Amino acid sequence: DAGITQSPRHKVTETGTPVTLRCHQTENHRYMYWYRQDPGHGLRLIHYSYGVKDTDKGEVSDGYSVSRSKTEDFLLTLESATSSQTSVYFCAGRWDSSYEQYFGPGTRLTVT
Amino acid sequence: GNSVTQMEGPVTLSEEAFLTINCTYTATGYPSLFWYVQYPGEGLQLLLKATKADDKGSNKGFEATYRKETTSFHLEKGSVQVSDSAVYFCALKGGSGGSNYKLTFGKGTLLTVNP
Repeated sequence: DAGITQSPRHKVTETGTPVTLRCHQTENHRYMYWYRQDPGHGLRLIHYSYGVKDTDKGEVSDGYSVSRSKTEDFLLTLESATSSQTSVYFCAGRWDSSYEQYFGPGTRLTVT
Repeated sequence: GNSVTQMEGPVTLSEEAFLTINCTYTATGYPSLFWYVQYPGEGLQLLLKATKADDKGSNKGFEATYRKETTSFHLEKGSVQVSDSAVYFCALKGGSGGSNYKLTFGKGTLLTVNP
């Protein structure tokens, strides 16, 4: 089984609708991260979690919220999707003992 | 703050050519340095890392040496293959102060290898 999975892998939604992306991990990562990847911007950190129910903002957090009710799952919610949130979203995890992050396969989100 | 600058690309090479992708960084203290690779349609995969000055990370024929005197971590491979076509990201974890939780990424370099 893959260590980090993301669902859905592809989603098309309309402006103004709420969207939730799910990240699930089976690696017992303490830290988890949500990034967005856009041409010309590379990877930008949206939110991260340093434990169950412990989260904090990254550099592009406006319009996004996260929740982590158990170690395995880290949810990213767009309360009211906008076209500027069309992107590829990646989840990543990290263990306490090292600094490298391990990435999921990504979710391609299109907001029309 | 921390920052990573890598050559913009795209880089196009013929199979068996020598590859260098430059990466320089700005950070306080003694950062840890990483190279990630992203194949089309996939997430990023850790390629190699180095955690202290003069360390050499290596994997799958790729190498990079942590040079504190030049604040660099250039990626090299002696003979590239078509299967190496991907986007390569340099990243660092800051050495002191700031947040221990985050990595700082470069913007990525697209490599295309032609047969």
